[in-house]
Amino acid sequence: GAVVSQHPSRVICKSGTSVKIECRSLDFQATTMFWYRQFPKQSLMLMATSNEGSKATYEQGVEKDKFLINHASLTLSTLTVTSAHPEDSSFYICSATPLPRGGLTPEQYFGPGTRLTVT
Amino acid sequence: AQSVTQLGSHVSVSEGALVLLRCNYSSSVPPYLFWYVQYPNQGLQLLLKYTSAATLVKGINGFEAEFKKSETSFHLTKPSAHMSDAAEYFCAVSPNTGGFKTIFGAGTRLFVKA
Repeated sequence: GAVVSQHPSRVICKSGTSVKIECRSLDFQATTMFWYRQFPKQSLMLMATSNEGSKATYEQGVEKDKFLINHASLTLSTLTVTSAHPEDSSFYICSATPLPRGGLTPEQYFGPGTRLTVT
Repeated sequence: AQSVTQLGSHVSVSEGALVLLRCNYSSSVPPYLFWYVQYPNQGLQLLLKYTSAATLVKGINGFEAEFKKSETSFHLTKPSAHMSDAAEYFCAVSPNTGGFKTIFGAGTRLFVKA
């Protein structure tokens, strides 16, 4: 159980175009989903926290107009990289936290990641 | 404020040797602590978690970690390394007061020599 999928796994796009990445919790409902960015050989950098039905909370330094996050349902969150540039090339990982169930600890379940390359 | 420090960006052990990956945390409230493993070009997989129950936590693949409040540490160990253990390991901390925002350490790359 607790599987999170991401689509696509890899995407190459041209500079100036937009790219949408989907994050789905397959066998549980997630009130909260997180979007991370990971540079080569580095740790995960939290970009934003996405709550179903409300606006995402962005971390300091992350451009909300560039990285659009939508959490339309309890099983789906999307990250759209608008007007992508080569410096946006990175590994993007989402995670999901299940609905609280009395004593459930807040571990996150991670998607497999999406490799974005902007040419 | 919370933070996590992983001592050593690279650790190399021989196959069959003890694995010890160090993690120290800082938290103003009682924390939840996690160890995750990441294989190349993949997401993170939870190895184990500390949630204020037993201080010695056993996880998957033979790993375990001990929560030591006096030392603010949560080191990850495995008695005997396998080649398949070679990966990136992340220690993470999250407050147990809600919010669930998790802070990750910088990661430790484990190399296993034959």
